[in-house]
Amino acid sequence: GQSLEQPSEVTAVEGAIVQINCTYQTSGFYGLSWYQQHDGGAPTFLSYNALDGLEETGRFSSFLSRSDSYGYLLLQELQMKDSASYFCAVKGDKIIFGKGTRLHILP
Amino acid sequence: DVKVTQSSRYLVKRTGEKVFLECVQDMDHENMFWYRQDPGLGLRLIYFSYDVKMKEKGDIPEGYSVSREKKERFSLILESASTNQTSMYLCASTAQGANEKLFFGSGTQLSVL
Repeated sequence: GQSLEQPSEVTAVEGAIVQINCTYQTSGFYGLSWYQQHDGGAPTFLSYNALDGLEETGRFSSFLSRSDSYGYLLLQELQMKDSASYFCAVKGDKIIFGKGTRLHILP
Repeated sequence: DVKVTQSSRYLVKRTGEKVFLECVQDMDHENMFWYRQDPGLGLRLIYFSYDVKMKEKGDIPEGYSVSREKKERFSLILESASTNQTSMYLCASTAQGANEKLFFGSGTQLSVL
């Protein structure tokens, strides 16, 4: 079967850096994605890693290690608007999501 | 930008009713998906489709069926609604070969009484 593990909650301070980890177990693997969801909103795509290494998009970066079945989302220069839930998702024979990490940002 | 439209934002139904949730996308995407989202459980895949008239079961298909008669439309059907199907339902689509970027509709919050 397929499963993804990520922390349920993370708290960080405005302006700081935070890392959200994701470990996965899947039958077939093509890549790892990250989505952001604000309260009351729909998930929106942030990044995708198919190969090992770091992908950077502005303040957000995503990392993948296929050999460790592990990835993370790195958010830098945190802003209050980054308060949201973050989901990792695996593309295997289907697209499966983790349970989400609620990010709390303190002023 | 891609637009994925779900027919209702809020829906209230009674136990035993047949319920149709409609989803339409306007970017000619081949792949469409239905997820349900519950607090603490994340998004769980119900059904998906990679082509017209094609459907595949996700992780929790029991109590649901789908229909894809046209490329742009993917319908989720609750044959006999039950209270444990009260949830937020999210439709998503993506282009063939680009499965990493799902575009989501705004969701339908279904309450079954």
